[in-house]
This record gives sequence, C-alpha cells and structure tokens, in this order.
Amino acid sequence: NAGVMQNPRHLVRRRGQEARLRCSPMKGHSHVYWYRQLPEEGLKFMVYLQKENIIDESGMPKERFSAEFPKEGPSILRIQQVVRGDSAAYFCASPYPDTQYFGPGTRLTVL
Amino acid sequence: AQKVTQAQTEISVVEKEDVTLDCVYETRDTTYYLFWYKQPPSGELVFLIRRNSFDEQNEISGRYSWNFQKSTSSFNFTITASQVVDSAVYFCALGSTSGTYKYIFGTGTRLKVLA
Repeated sequence: NAGVMQNPRHLVRRRGQEARLRCSPMKGHSHVYWYRQLPEEGLKFMVYLQKENIIDESGMPKERFSAEFPKEGPSILRIQQVVRGDSAAYFCASPYPDTQYFGPGTRLTVL
Repeated sequence: AQKVTQAQTEISVVEKEDVTLDCVYETRDTTYYLFWYKQPPSGELVFLIRRNSFDEQNEISGRYSWNFQKSTSSFNFTITASQVVDSAVYFCALGSTSGTYKYIFGTGTRLKVLA
C-alpha cells in the first residue's frame, strides 16, 4: 500500500448510524482520492481532495456523504444515517506522481 | 465518455497454464494512462503496471506481460505458467493525464488458478 493508511479496516454500523472512515496518504503528500467498491464490482471514484480543499466531488452521492482533508490529520469520509446499500469497501489513494497507490481499504458493513 | 470493459467475469485455469485477461477501453483523450491492479483475497489493491498512451511497447515482467494496442483500444494482460498465488481479481483502469486524474475502473476479472 506504499504507506497509505486507512482505519478502521472493518467497520460495522446499524442502519441510521454514522460512519467515519480515515485515510492518511503517503508521508508528506497532500492529495487523496476516495473510491468505493460495491460487492462484486469495480472501484468507482467518489471524491478528490487536497488539504483543506475539495477538488472534485463529482462521484459523491448528493446526500449523507461528505469528505474533508483538514490541514492537520487524516482525510475523513463521513457517511451519515447509513443504509444497507452503503455496505462496501472504501479505498483511498495517494497519487505518486502518475500512479495512485491505494490503502488497504475499510470494509463497511451496515446491519 | 470514458469506459473500461473487462468482459471476462471469471476465468479458471489449471496451474502452469497461460492465461490472458482482456481489457478494452474508450476515451476521447489523446493522452491517457492505463493500469492493471491485482486484488488478492485479502482485499488490498496492488499496483502492477502503468502504461502511457504514447508508449505502445509491450512490457514483460517475469511471468507477467502486457500487450497494448491503441488501434483496438485494448490493454491485455497475460500470465505465463500461472500459479495458485495468482488467484485474485484483476482490474484494468483508465486514467486522465489532465484535470483531476481520477481513474475509471473495469469491473474486474476473477482468476482462479487450480492446483
């Protein structure tokens, strides 16, 4: 994973709860991408962030999903009021420089 | 529109057989990147190769080789003398060289190598 960290690795939530997924890119890097992988599917782009800025959120669902990358600390993907359809693997990636290296992913299960 | 098609959903081979995974892409960009990633059963994504659109040379890395043909918009991946450890889902992806550089992934091909 080339030093891209994600936590937690597994997250279980009940419907209606909030999920917070964290991603720390490679050391010294200030850009992250988030992708979602639904069961038995490929990865789909969600959002691209630079520290303190959202560059492209064209893949983010309009409701309940938000992302941030503060000046200090990891990038956070937040899902409010989770539903069963949010169950998926969420990956973040750190670009270096022409290739995105992915973290190990967070597997979210919504009961 | 950009699109990546991996028509083979699942392939099973016996160990030591050669296997080719197909990838066809669509893009209007004149320059772009193509990638292959491996997702073993443990779930992480392992980078295998990046190819720039202006470099049509085929590449070989050990038992792995890649055939890029711009004329047919294909970027196929061959594993020679497959091994059980090659069992994984393999994803082909298309990346822009401008804009936000996000990737478009295919739906993946699950390779099962049987002992």
